[in-house]
Amino acid sequence: NAGVMQNPRHLVRRRGQEARLRCSPMKGHSHVYWYRQLPEEGLKFMVYLQKENIIDESGMPKERFSAEFPKEGPSILRIQQVVRGDSAAYFCASSPLRTGGNEAFFGQGTRLTVV
Amino acid sequence: AQTVTQSQPEMSVQEAETVTLSCTYDTSESDYYLFWYKQPPSRQMILVIRQEAYKQQNATENRFSVNFQKAAKSFSLKISDSQLGDAAMYFCAYRNYGGSQGNLIFGKGTKLSVKP
Repeated sequence: NAGVMQNPRHLVRRRGQEARLRCSPMKGHSHVYWYRQLPEEGLKFMVYLQKENIIDESGMPKERFSAEFPKEGPSILRIQQVVRGDSAAYFCASSPLRTGGNEAFFGQGTRLTVV
Repeated sequence: AQTVTQSQPEMSVQEAETVTLSCTYDTSESDYYLFWYKQPPSRQMILVIRQEAYKQQNATENRFSVNFQKAAKSFSLKISDSQLGDAAMYFCAYRNYGGSQGNLIFGKGTKLSVKP
């Protein structure tokens, strides 16, 4: 049973380009969460999605950032017109249920570097 | 809003010794979960231990145990018989009891070094 898969592991983009980060949840998990980890910081929640629905986007920057989790395929975090401040590690987590005592499982993250 | 504070940016321990990492949090909720995650250089977030706030007994997982003081809103992690593989960033995290499983609030982390 493969874990949460994120790709690419490393992504380099020039300022102004678009970055697309992909996350395939664990088998049987229909809830996906995206986090951002800035250097020397903890993870900060960005968005929570279920299949075809955004449930909570309270941590998403208002501009340039969007996320989707289509009926088929991985969840995508999209950052348009990247700036140097977007350089960070982006983590995805998935869970089988919305609530309950079990924890979500994390992927290994994508390190985005904007040059 | 809930917050999690880790006041020790870095800690060091001798191999085979014991080390305690501190964490305090702030919440007005009575039911919640607390977690310690380990992040080695590979960046993989690994769950170390979990504590339900309604349980008075401190959680333990092999060499890892917590000291949960609900009234003081303190949740420290004790690592016994430290091993070289324990070297990593350690993050304390909070989740509301009724909150979604993946919506966690993390502290800034403590970098643990283990000396041979």
